[in-house]
Amino acid sequence: QKEVEQDPGPLSVPEGAIVSLNCTYSNSAFQYFMWYRQYSRKGPELLMYTYSSGNKEDGRFTAQVDKSSKYISLFIRDSQPSDSATYLCAMKTNAGKSTFGDGTTLTVKP
Amino acid sequence: GAVVSQHPSRVICKSGTSVKIECRSLDFQATTMFWYRQFPKQSLMLMATSNEGSKATYEQGVEKDKFLINHASLTLSTLTVTSAHPEDSSFYICSARDLGSSSSGNEQYFGPGTRLTVT
Repeated sequence: QKEVEQDPGPLSVPEGAIVSLNCTYSNSAFQYFMWYRQYSRKGPELLMYTYSSGNKEDGRFTAQVDKSSKYISLFIRDSQPSDSATYLCAMKTNAGKSTFGDGTTLTVKP
Repeated sequence: GAVVSQHPSRVICKSGTSVKIECRSLDFQATTMFWYRQFPKQSLMLMATSNEGSKATYEQGVEKDKFLINHASLTLSTLTVTSAHPEDSSFYICSARDLGSSSSGNEQYFGPGTRLTVT
């Protein structure tokens, strides 16, 4: 069983839709939770970074962490075609290396 | 955000030759850099963790004599693929941890990747 499981997708939504991307994990020692966006043939770009449980908002993006359920989400409001990419969740313990999900490919259609 | 560069962005080499990939943190210092490999439509596979001034730590199944890592300074790490073969063709991505970030150095920034094709 993988430590981090990510909804595989692919996901296709119309422009303006709300997108929900999700990951579950099994290691209760994870303390740091990240979301990365990766465009085709590019390196991942850090989108959101959260420590422990709670919500964090940045523009159209909201990251949510529920440690009791070992579940994290990334919400994208008013999705745009430029949001089309692969989204990777990642998490790590204190001073540990990051463990990545397999990614969810999102396509936002104009 | 912090910037990590990689060079070259793309390289084609013949089987049996060696290729060196550079990873630089441009506006921050990083004692730790990571090297990943990514196959098409798959996630990142950590190959090794590179610490400045010491030997790299390789993940299980990664040949340290084939993938030589040198982390000579706080801003530069290199990955050399020795005696490359077609099965080494992949997308290689480095990342660096920002010591000076407000989150105590836990944020990890990625380079743009290097696409290696071995013919």
